[in-house]
Amino acid sequence: SQTIHQWPATLVQPVGSPLSLECTVEGTSNPNLYWYRQAAGRGLQLLFYSVGIGQISSEVPQNLSASRPQDRQFILSSKKLLLSDSGFYLCAWSPTGTAVGNGGANVLTFGAGSRLTVL
Amino acid sequence: SQQGEEDPQALSIQEGENATMNCSYKTSINNLQWYRQNSGRGLVHLILIRSNEREKHSGRLRVTLDTSKKSSSLLITASRAADTASYFCATAAGGFKTIFGAGTRLFVKA
Repeated sequence: SQTIHQWPATLVQPVGSPLSLECTVEGTSNPNLYWYRQAAGRGLQLLFYSVGIGQISSEVPQNLSASRPQDRQFILSSKKLLLSDSGFYLCAWSPTGTAVGNGGANVLTFGAGSRLTVL
Repeated sequence: SQQGEEDPQALSIQEGENATMNCSYKTSINNLQWYRQNSGRGLVHLILIRSNEREKHSGRLRVTLDTSKKSSSLLITASRAADTASYFCATAAGGFKTIFGAGTRLFVKA
């Protein structure tokens, strides 16, 4: 069965410090990978998604970047954190070949989330 | 930007009552999904309804979709305290992007 791991679960960082959140998926190949951010009590904002190694689509211009160095690894980074980067970051995956419009449904499976507090 | 908007933002009911949450969206979609999120956790997929379907059932869940009104509703029947969570609708218009609404916070009192 497929599993998704996301770490660290909790992170407190000073303004201006770097960030690295990691996400890995097991039990599947070439998954679609996603990073979402959720502000307190709010909905999810799509940050990045990737359909393959080295292929990153950015949805919102911001202080963050994403990389996919391996097939089942997705990393969210920042060189210098801002206060506004605080939030709950969620990684998710969907099966390869499930693009909507090609008959797919693109159902997402989420990790447990990483709570980032920037002070 | 968010595609779906849930209504109400928060809902408090007694155990055993039915809970209805609504979702409106702006553009044409291929499917609409509902997810659940327990406090401080990741989201869990509940049910998917395709654009050519009008109603779908899964256990105590009933989802309707009205593409002419660009709206969907999620009904949870005979609610339980364990149903307390936030519920999100998500729409997929094409490709690999799934966009979520702001969610409805449901509180079921025992």
